[in-house]
Amino acid sequence: GEDVEQSLFLSVREGDSSVINCTYTDSSSTYLYWYKQEPGAGLQLLTYIFSNMDMKQDQRLTVLLNKKDKHLSLRIADTQTGDSAIYFCAEISGGSQGNLIFGKGTKLSVKP
Amino acid sequence: DAGVIQSPRHEVTEMGQEVTLRCKPISGHNSLFWYRQTMMRGLELLIYFNNNVPIDDSGMPEDRFSAKMPNASFSTLKIQPSEPRDSAVYFCASSPTGLASEQFFGPGTRLTVL
Repeated sequence: GEDVEQSLFLSVREGDSSVINCTYTDSSSTYLYWYKQEPGAGLQLLTYIFSNMDMKQDQRLTVLLNKKDKHLSLRIADTQTGDSAIYFCAEISGGSQGNLIFGKGTKLSVKP
Repeated sequence: DAGVIQSPRHEVTEMGQEVTLRCKPISGHNSLFWYRQTMMRGLELLIYFNNNVPIDDSGMPEDRFSAKMPNASFSTLKIQPSEPRDSAVYFCASSPTGLASEQFFGPGTRLTVL
């Protein structure tokens, strides 16, 4: 079945770059998303990328998509302590009317 | 807009009791989702509604779980009887046009079943 895999933990020092990786299984996914969950809160959409794009940049965030390998990454430049959160990768499985499949989330810890 | 509203924010109950979680989606959104989040299983989609109609409830763990959406501005998730393994954070989310569009999450209800 459809699956989205992420590593569970990532720890970086303040000011370094963070790279959170994700692999997915549905090659027909049209959209791929990154959601952010801060402590005690629900998920919020951080950014998304269309499947016909290789890269999307938004200020400190860079999303890279390798469709051949079904690999998605989120790079956060100049990571700050406020970036500490859980980051979820998600794909639309089964076409545009399919389900939104979330990974288990990567907990990013930023050390001062 | 106040965003998606969930109540209660925290619920502690004893095994065997009935639990009802409530959700008010964002006005104008026609899709509503219930998720469960645990450390072991991550985020799981339980059920989603489109225009108040349940579309896919295949994620509902068992018959003890039921969800209703009597109108466009209110939904409930009920667990009867509750069990300790139901302890989790339950999220409600809504979206304007369905699964393929951005989902807006509520703050969640943290359920503890003793």
